[in-house]
Amino acid sequence: DVKVTQSSRYLVKRTGEKVFLECVQDMDHENMFWYRQDPGLGLRLIYFSYDVKMKEKGDIPEGYSVSREKKERFSLILESASTNQTSMYLCASSHPLAGRSSSYEQYFGPGTRLTVT
Amino acid sequence: RKEVEQDPGPFNVPEGATVAFNCTYSNSASQSFFWYRQDCRKEPKLLMSVYSSGNEDGRFTAQLNRASQYISLLIRDSKLSDSATYLCVVNPNYGGSQGNLIFGKGTKLSVKP
Repeated sequence: DVKVTQSSRYLVKRTGEKVFLECVQDMDHENMFWYRQDPGLGLRLIYFSYDVKMKEKGDIPEGYSVSREKKERFSLILESASTNQTSMYLCASSHPLAGRSSSYEQYFGPGTRLTVT
Repeated sequence: RKEVEQDPGPFNVPEGATVAFNCTYSNSASQSFFWYRQDCRKEPKLLMSVYSSGNEDGRFTAQLNRASQYISLLIRDSKLSDSATYLCVVNPNYGGSQGNLIFGKGTKLSVKP
């Protein structure tokens, strides 16, 4: 079974703090993603990575950065946390479906519910 | 037009009912399609892929209509445990996208005794 783990389930931080969210996958997947999920807005892609040291901006990268130093680990960094970054953060990894090279299933971690006060 | 659109619901149905969810997508070049299930306060999990010929997995049937850019999910004989949010998901297959998926906002299903 694919396992994607995230460093914390719940996190409370103060405005202005630097926040690190860690994600680790154990299936040697090349692709990793960070999303945030808010009521009524669905899943929104923050950043993604197709390889070590590689990163690409998603739809809402402002206020975030990422790091991928090892294939299994993808970190999301909030440089200076703000209250509008209170959200559920979900990490995912993916690989092509067997026999369908253009079809990618994403596996999600359990999520980190971040509150910024 | 939004990339992936779903009726948010909620759909409130009695146990044993048949319920259908629909989803439309905007990018005609999209190559692969999925339904994910998300329980309250949990992560999304793959329910089933959607193939051009349609596919069935027990009580669940998924259909794809490429001409109309439309995907459906049918649940027969609903169980209380089917209560969840169902996310329609599309791989738009943009050049070099390599696995980026577009998620709908989800349709909430509540199955009542």
